[in-house]
Amino acid sequence: GAVVSQHPSWVICKSGTSVKIECRSLDFQATTMFWYRQFPKQSLMLMATSNEGSKATYEQGVEKDKFLINHASLTLSTLTVTSAHPEDSSFYICSAHSPGQGVNEQFFGPGTRLTVL
Amino acid sequence: GENVEQHPSTLSVQEGDSAVIKCTYSDSASNYFPWYKQELGKRPQLIIDIRSNVGEKKDQRIAVTLNKTAKHFSLHITETQPEDSAVYFCAALESGGSYIPTFGRGTSLIVHP
Repeated sequence: GAVVSQHPSWVICKSGTSVKIECRSLDFQATTMFWYRQFPKQSLMLMATSNEGSKATYEQGVEKDKFLINHASLTLSTLTVTSAHPEDSSFYICSAHSPGQGVNEQFFGPGTRLTVL
Repeated sequence: GENVEQHPSTLSVQEGDSAVIKCTYSDSASNYFPWYKQELGKRPQLIIDIRSNVGEKKDQRIAVTLNKTAKHFSLHITETQPEDSAVYFCAALESGGSYIPTFGRGTSLIVHP
């Protein structure tokens, strides 16, 4: 099956700093990538949808200036958490979709555990 | 937009018993319903899915049923094993549309040896 990687797998940072998370589709070109946030024992909360070469579409309540998403190529999307605060601590998961890999299926990355001190 | 309700939130069974997780959806345009299994700290993994033109699908110990009229679908796991312990998420989406799935809140399944 299709493989999606995320880097880093975990990160600890100080409050006020920015953190960049990379999401890569390793063996296919992803037309769409999704970014999710997941709190302990809760469901996946969609933050934004990004298509290569265009601006991301953010879900209601997600600050686009705080969570910067760049989808510069068909294999790479990045999420930058700017001026991180302790409440931004969470598990961030990306997923990638391509009709060529299965019309409906999306493939998840392993997730990034962010802890903001 | 779509709204997916999932029950129960936790399910505890003995090894060998069956487990059933139920989901309902609101948007009649949804026609694809995947189920994901997520182990602690890991990524969600697709375990089975069903399209709206099918009423039931089975893969070994896992089966999914769909009632389009009632807008509900269920995951059935038979002969549960401790390694089935995980959080299970249902989702609904409109295939061929924007492809944005709506997830249920998850069910934490615990299988006791």
